[in-house]
Amino acid sequence: DIQMTQYPSTLPASVGDRVTITCRASHSISSWLAWYQQKPGKAPKLLIYQVSTLESGVPSRFSGSGSGTEFTLTISSLQPDDFATYYCQQYSNLYTFGQGTKLDIK
Amino acid sequence: QVQLVESGGGLVRPGGSLRLSCVGTGFTFSDSYFSWIRQAPGKGLEWLAYITSTGSTILYADSVKGRFTISRDNAKRLLYLQMNSLRAEDTAVYYCGRVTPVKQDLLDYWGQGIRVTVSS
Repeated sequence: DIQMTQYPSTLPASVGDRVTITCRASHSISSWLAWYQQKPGKAPKLLIYQVSTLESGVPSRFSGSGSGTEFTLTISSLQPDDFATYYCQQYSNLYTFGQGTKLDIK
Repeated sequence: QVQLVESGGGLVRPGGSLRLSCVGTGFTFSDSYFSWIRQAPGKGLEWLAYITSTGSTILYADSVKGRFTISRDNAKRLLYLQMNSLRAEDTAVYYCGRVTPVKQDLLDYWGQGIRVTVSS
């Protein structure tokens, strides 16, 4: 099984900040890595797939990078709508999610 | 637009059964693969089951293997999750998700989720 370790678990930030979330896979997953955004009481929404491809309609302030086992999600300038929980997910071998990162207002 | 809507959740006693349904509209249901994913209260996301377009390939997480069964009815555009021998730890919000095989089985759309509570 592939384990995904995501950090930090909580990230206090302010509007306008640049933030980075990291996700590490226990084995190489090539480029089969996705990021989801979840708001309270809502379903996860796909933001990025294949490490760095933005889903249609996702603002360009979101970006992804990495390869193999180490990946990052960056939000270049936080907007009020971005305060949510973010999950990484590998889909190289079935599906495993990271533990999530909650973006909090500082 | 793509829509997935789950139904069939509720309160069930330990050891009981429940069947979840998920109707898909706005896309070619019969060509799509699907998964079920759950989220326990205050916890992260856990993948549970996967089914291909014809049901020829079905996969389960170890945590539900032998208790849960995924199936589909393409004519009715319905995906199912039959849950037997339910335990307190199965309490969660259950999501159906569409899998896109041409994108390496990416989970691209999710339903709004349905709550299942297992309690006496």
